[in-house]
Amino acid sequence: NFMLTQPHSVSEFPGKTVTISCTGSSGSIASNYVQWYQQRPGSAPTVVIYDDTHRPSGVPNRFSGSIDSSSNSASLTISGLRTEDEADYYCQSYDDVNHGLVFGGGTKLTVL
Amino acid sequence: EVQLVESGGGLVQPGRSLRLSCTASGFTFDDYVMYWVRQVPGKGLEWVSGISPKSGSIGYADSVKGRFTISRDNAKKILYLQMNSLSGEDTALYYCAKDMKGGSASYYGMDVWGQGTTVTVSS
Repeated sequence: NFMLTQPHSVSEFPGKTVTISCTGSSGSIASNYVQWYQQRPGSAPTVVIYDDTHRPSGVPNRFSGSIDSSSNSASLTISGLRTEDEADYYCQSYDDVNHGLVFGGGTKLTVL
Repeated sequence: EVQLVESGGGLVQPGRSLRLSCTASGFTFDDYVMYWVRQVPGKGLEWVSGISPKSGSIGYADSVKGRFTISRDNAKKILYLQMNSLSGEDTALYYCAKDMKGGSASYYGMDVWGQGTTVTVSS
């Protein structure tokens, strides 16, 4: 089955920049769009990046997404870190073989 | 305001059944793919099932295939998840979610989520 692999956790200081990776297990990650979700404790997820690189209205431009075909990975970059960015982040894409959606395992971001 | 409200969760014994509902408002329900996603407390998100606007395309995760059935009533703007042969591994918070792209039967991702309904499978 197609899987998306994320680091379990990342941490960085306020004001700094952090990048969270999401690596596809097979095929080309560029063949289907990748979304990124933020989930704060006790809350439902909210989308922060869709279609690989697009930000929904209301999401600060400190959040950006990218695709690197050479490493078969998507990345979420958050610049100018704030304490409010501390949350779990999940990548998500489509599995062509099983015809369903798949989530990465999630990355816990700690703002030190 | 776009809103999704789940209901129907609760405590159920192993092997029994439960039906979840998700009532939608604030958008043209029959224009969008809808999903169920679950989350074990303290764990990650797991896609459970999806259904296209006219119910012509339905998908399930391998973990629930053959036991769960997704359906929708576009006139009532309600999404359902019939869960049979439940086991402890189905214990989770179940979210209803709306696809971000209307007018398509393809699966993309979710832009609106409900607050979830908790299912606990235990004797």
